[in-house]
Amino acid sequence: AQSVTQPDIHITVSEGASLELRCNYSYGATPYLFWYVQSPGQGLQLLLKYFSGDTLVQGIKGFEAEFKRSQSSFNLRKPSVHWSDAAEYFCAVAPKAAGNKLTFGGGTRVLVKP
Amino acid sequence: EPEVTQTPSHQVTQMGQEVILRCVPISNHLYFYWYRQILGQKVEFLVSFYNNEISEKSEIFDDQFSVERPDGSNFTLKIRSTKLEDSAMYFCASRGYMNTEAFFGQGTRLTVV
Repeated sequence: AQSVTQPDIHITVSEGASLELRCNYSYGATPYLFWYVQSPGQGLQLLLKYFSGDTLVQGIKGFEAEFKRSQSSFNLRKPSVHWSDAAEYFCAVAPKAAGNKLTFGGGTRVLVKP
Repeated sequence: EPEVTQTPSHQVTQMGQEVILRCVPISNHLYFYWYRQILGQKVEFLVSFYNNEISEKSEIFDDQFSVERPDGSNFTLKIRSTKLEDSAMYFCASRGYMNTEAFFGQGTRLTVV
């Protein structure tokens, strides 16, 4: 069965510092890969996605993610975090097939120190 | 920008009561989903719906749950007899045929007391 692991439950980072959130997946074939962000009291907003091609993908809000097939990873990065980046971040995968339901990781809560 | 709309944003209900959670997906989308997130836990898939029928459901989606698209625009999740453990945030999502990402609503927080 497919699974998504986000090893870090909480990360605290200083404003202006870089951020990297880890995501590993277990799947039969390379799935579609996504990162969503959930701000307090809000829904899930798509940050970026990987379907195929260039393994470094750019998203909204200055985020990027790199797909590494050999490591089954899809880590999210931001060079310089802003206080507004404090939120919960979810990695998710979906099969390359019609219907493609999402399987989510457990999430990483990011706290930003001034 | 089109968005998925969910109502209500928060519902409190007594155990054993029926609740209906409502969603208006993006208008030209074809695939519809419900997910839930129990407080402090991961987002879990409940059900997917396509062409007016359930295409896949999880083991969570038992006989107490049902979905329908009554009028071509709304997409509803009904819980027939709520239990305390149904308390969660419920997210609706929709996806177009050519798109491969789902767009989520803001969620409905269901509290069963």
